[in-house]
Amino acid sequence: DTGVSQNPRHKITKRGQNVTFRCDPISEHNRLYWYRQTLGQGPEFLTYFQNEAQLEKSRLLSDRFSAERPKGSFSTLEIQRTEQGDSAMYLCASSLVTSGAETQYFGPGTRLLVL
Amino acid sequence: DQQVKQNSPSLSVQEGRISILNCDYTNSMFDYFLWYKKYPAEGPTFLISISSIKDKNEDGRFTVFLNKSAKHLSLHIVPSQPGDSAVYFCAASLIMGGNKLVFGAGTILRVKS
Repeated sequence: DTGVSQNPRHKITKRGQNVTFRCDPISEHNRLYWYRQTLGQGPEFLTYFQNEAQLEKSRLLSDRFSAERPKGSFSTLEIQRTEQGDSAMYLCASSLVTSGAETQYFGPGTRLLVL
Repeated sequence: DQQVKQNSPSLSVQEGRISILNCDYTNSMFDYFLWYKKYPAEGPTFLISISSIKDKNEDGRFTVFLNKSAKHLSLHIVPSQPGDSAVYFCAASLIMGGNKLVFGAGTILRVKS
């Protein structure tokens, strides 16, 4: 399977704990995006990378959230001191930017539940 | 501030008939629009897209129409099949704005056999 993969698929944690999610994009895709989706809503943009550079972060991304994409391949999203409001589906997408419009392909997501 | 709106939370259609899903946007700068389908416990799957320089794009049973003056787009599925039952998300982006997607809240499509 050469699609976007995310691990873990599910994570249950206690409030105050740190969690880290991993995303492996489609190989040769140079852009990687993180989104968050809560029940009844569409995905909301969090941050994106072009190769290893983090180019934009949403205001939704508090200082408890940090994302990295070392070497421009896989990416990790860490949430420190989790809160119940962090419970959501975290989605990763990747795309190949050449020029103009691009299509983002999503992974299956990591569902986080903070107790 | 919802820049992309899908005003119908759900739609029920008979198998074989046409499904029409609607989407409105407020930001006239958006220049690329996409439709995604999502099954429970899975990530969104890309269906079809359209650039703002076009008013129609077709791919098999799926056609997307764009009306820039009305800031409205629609997805037509003909004929509808039970396997099309899913949540459909409309998304918009700015090509020069990093292409980050702004999504609507989704429409649940049920195709009855």
